[in-house]
Amino acid sequence: SYVLTQPPSVSVAPGQTARITCGGNNIGSKSVHWYQQKPGQAPVLVVYDDSDRPSGIPERFSGSNSGNTATLTISRVEAGDEADYYCQVWDSSSDHYVFGTGTKVTVL
Amino acid sequence: EVQLVQSGAEVKKPGESLKISCKGSGYSFTSYWIGWVRQMPGKGLEWMGIIYPGDSDTRYSPSFQGQVTISADKSISTAYLQWSSLKASDTAMYYCARLVPGPAAPTWFDYWGQGTLVTVSS
Repeated sequence: SYVLTQPPSVSVAPGQTARITCGGNNIGSKSVHWYQQKPGQAPVLVVYDDSDRPSGIPERFSGSNSGNTATLTISRVEAGDEADYYCQVWDSSSDHYVFGTGTKVTVL
Repeated sequence: EVQLVQSGAEVKKPGESLKISCKGSGYSFTSYWIGWVRQMPGKGLEWMGIIYPGDSDTRYSPSFQGQVTISADKSISTAYLQWSSLKASDTAMYYCARLVPGPAAPTWFDYWGQGTLVTVSS
């Protein structure tokens, strides 16, 4: 089955840039989506189709995808960005949906 | 406004049955797949399965096939997740979420329910 691997944690100072990676075999050939989950809340979609943002999501959130790694970038990090982040793909070979292992972003 | 409203928290004993619900509103319920996602305490998101309420076509993750049943009643815009015999290991938060149609298959989850906490304990 298809596996998506994320670093368990990323720490960043306010105002700096956080980069969260999502590794998978030839992930660049798939569409990657990213979700933010704050404690006690349901996940929220922040990036879809590798780099598009839903309405209401700040431009500070951006995404890229190439080769074996997709990346969610959060620019000018704020305290309110502290959350868990998950990548997700649809694996066409199995017709299954796969979530990454999740990354906890801590704002120092 | 698109909304998915889930049923309330449940406390059950091992071996009991359970059916939780997810009611959609603000969109054509029969035109979008609905997925179910498990989150065990302190853990990540796990895809369980999806259903198309228009014709009840259902797909399951191999990890959950045979362990749960996903269904829908389009007349009341509600999807369900049920267990016939709960185990302590079923203790988790369960989310429903709407899937956005894609060229080959539904792709991402754009709206999520608030979650239903299921606790199974003797």
